[in-house]
Amino acid sequence: SAVISQKPSRDICQRGTSLTIQCQVDSQVTMMFWYRQQPGQSLTLIATANQGSEATYESGFVIDKFPISRPNLTFSTLTVSNMSPEDSSIYLCSVGDYYNEQFFGPGTRLTVL
Amino acid sequence: AQRVTQPEKLLSVFKGAPVELKCNYSYSGSPELFWYVQYSRQRLQLLLRHISRESIKGFTADLNKGETSFHLKKPFAQEEDSAMYYCALRGGDQAGTALIFGKGTTLSVSS
Repeated sequence: SAVISQKPSRDICQRGTSLTIQCQVDSQVTMMFWYRQQPGQSLTLIATANQGSEATYESGFVIDKFPISRPNLTFSTLTVSNMSPEDSSIYLCSVGDYYNEQFFGPGTRLTVL
Repeated sequence: AQRVTQPEKLLSVFKGAPVELKCNYSYSGSPELFWYVQYSRQRLQLLLRHISRESIKGFTADLNKGETSFHLKKPFAQEEDSAMYYCALRGGDQAGTALIFGKGTTLSVSS
């Protein structure tokens, strides 16, 4: 299994600003995913971030709004840019082995005023 | 398109009663199905996956390809089972891709 930590755990931000969320894993993993969980909704995949390649974004999510870095096999960041209240959500980092389950971080609860 | 449907947003049962959380999926190939659980103030964690055919915390789930279902069952609910349950799907030929989640069902077990 993998132990995942995220920073910050929560934040309250002003409209128009940006927030970078960090995801740290205690072991080297190839696959890393970023999800969004809006209030009362399910988990929606934002992008897949594999080390050594550009992040792959899902429909409805773009790099300019959600830039991702994946500098090594244990770390990734997701930036939420030019925030609006609609970006208020829980952002989850997840890692997975090629054939096995996905492990999830504790989430970052973002509120945009 | 890949899709997971959990028709019940909330399921309330009494302690000791049987529980069935429904999950239906849409996938043209051979799927991998998972149940994840999120207890209050805890992170999302795997409960079980269909290929392991295990019983975890008394829960079981059988993949029914004919009905495209993967319902989660437990014969006797406990109060500690109260949590949010998510059914998730990954294409069997898509190892290395992210899971697709249903909207989740909140299970509330009262005494």
